[in-house]
Amino acid sequence: DQQVKQNSPSLSVQEGRISILNCDYTNSMFDYFLWYKKYPAEGPTFLISISSIKDKNEDGRFTVFLNKSAKHLSLHIVPSQPGDSAVYFCAASEYGNQFYFGTGTSLTVIP
Amino acid sequence: DGGITQSPKYLFRKEGQNVTLSCEQNLNHDAMYWYRQDPGQGLRLIYYSQIVNDFQKGDIAEGYSVSREKKESFPLTVTSAQKNPTAFYLCASSIKDRTTIAKNIQYFGAGTRLSVL
Repeated sequence: DQQVKQNSPSLSVQEGRISILNCDYTNSMFDYFLWYKKYPAEGPTFLISISSIKDKNEDGRFTVFLNKSAKHLSLHIVPSQPGDSAVYFCAASEYGNQFYFGTGTSLTVIP
Repeated sequence: DGGITQSPKYLFRKEGQNVTLSCEQNLNHDAMYWYRQDPGQGLRLIYYSQIVNDFQKGDIAEGYSVSREKKESFPLTVTSAQKNPTAFYLCASSIKDRTTIAKNIQYFGAGTRLSVL
């Protein structure tokens, strides 16, 4: 049973525009969330995190929003760049214990 | 420089054969993890270890075995009992901090792609 879901397998965005990647989870006990970026044939690299005591966390062009009541988080990339083209995974855990990963969203930024 | 090294990058298994995937880290991390990724699926946890000489089954441990004799090393054996081993295998490690959960971010190796001949 998938506890973390990314319902959009792919997303295409023009360079310079905003990319919004979405993630839903089912376990209300999850309190720590991560976003990873993955290029083909490489391991995922950590991008940004958020804990449940916050509803927003920013790091440069990347912002993660958390809506606990809706059990939903999103990653915003502004402005999108061609180098952002990759697969993005969200992951959730209860107090940093076992992480549950979504199925990923493949982002293509069109020059 | 510090990191997680997985080897080999590509591996082929014959029917009935056991194969071992290597994972080494020099980050001084306590916890190590093995995940499997299949096309169109997220990362699924096979085994994890929070301390030397101790490990726990993840969600899909059947057909796999691990050992954790050293802090730096966490090899994964794909046994002949694993009937569908073709996948991309990822090893990760993290600090295990119970007071600051932000320190429990997992860092990944580059992966091993296993195929069946």
